Amino acid sequence: SAVISQKPSRDICQRGTSLTIQCQVDSQVTMMFWYRQQPGQSLTLIATANQGSEATYESGFVIDKFPISRPNLTFSTLTVSNMSPEDSSIYLCSVVGGELYGYTFGSGTRLTVV
Amino acid sequence: DAKTTQPNSMESNEEEPVHLPCNHSTISGTDYIHWYRQLPSQGPEYVIHGLTSNVNNRMASLAIAEDRKSSTLILHRATLRDAAVYYCILAPNNNDMRFGAGTRLTVKP
Repeated sequence: SAVISQKPSRDICQRGTSLTIQCQVDSQVTMMFWYRQQPGQSLTLIATANQGSEATYESGFVIDKFPISRPNLTFSTLTVSNMSPEDSSIYLCSVVGGELYGYTFGSGTRLTVV
Repeated sequence: DAKTTQPNSMESNEEEPVHLPCNHSTISGTDYIHWYRQLPSQGPEYVIHGLTSNVNNRMASLAIAEDRKSSTLILHRATLRDAAVYYCILAPNNNDMRFGAGTRLTVKP
């Protein structure tokens, strides 16, 4: 199955600033997915990113707040813009690991906004 | 959206089998049943998935009811490292993973 490298693993940011999270996959994949996991909660899908097209955002998430880039088949970034303490969460990227393996997840970026 | 219902928490003793139930009464014909687990401070990890037939792999077994309205994840011999949150997910056309609350499994030595 695919191997994902996600950076940074954690960060502490000032409110009003932005953070860009990188997700690198060791193989070419059509779709990449970004999730948010708020403290003590389950995962919520933010958006689906296809290479060469605009990301598709889930209800409650907007491009101005969470812009996504997908420049090629192995890389994507998620930016958390104009951060507030409510954005403190773990952000995870994911790809389809193959028909036999389900989805593969990165280890996540633990973001704390102060 | 198709949804799943899982117990909030379960306990097991080490080296004993664990049966984690999942109800999905609104499942459609194209929904695959996926199981993931999330160990503390890690991203979710794929465990197993199936469509209609029972499935076995090196990690677990998946038993799917004949009417597909429920399924059970079976860990044959729980270890302390199996303590995690286990998520049962219905994935339309084997895609679109949306997580519910999951079951927190505690394994007692």
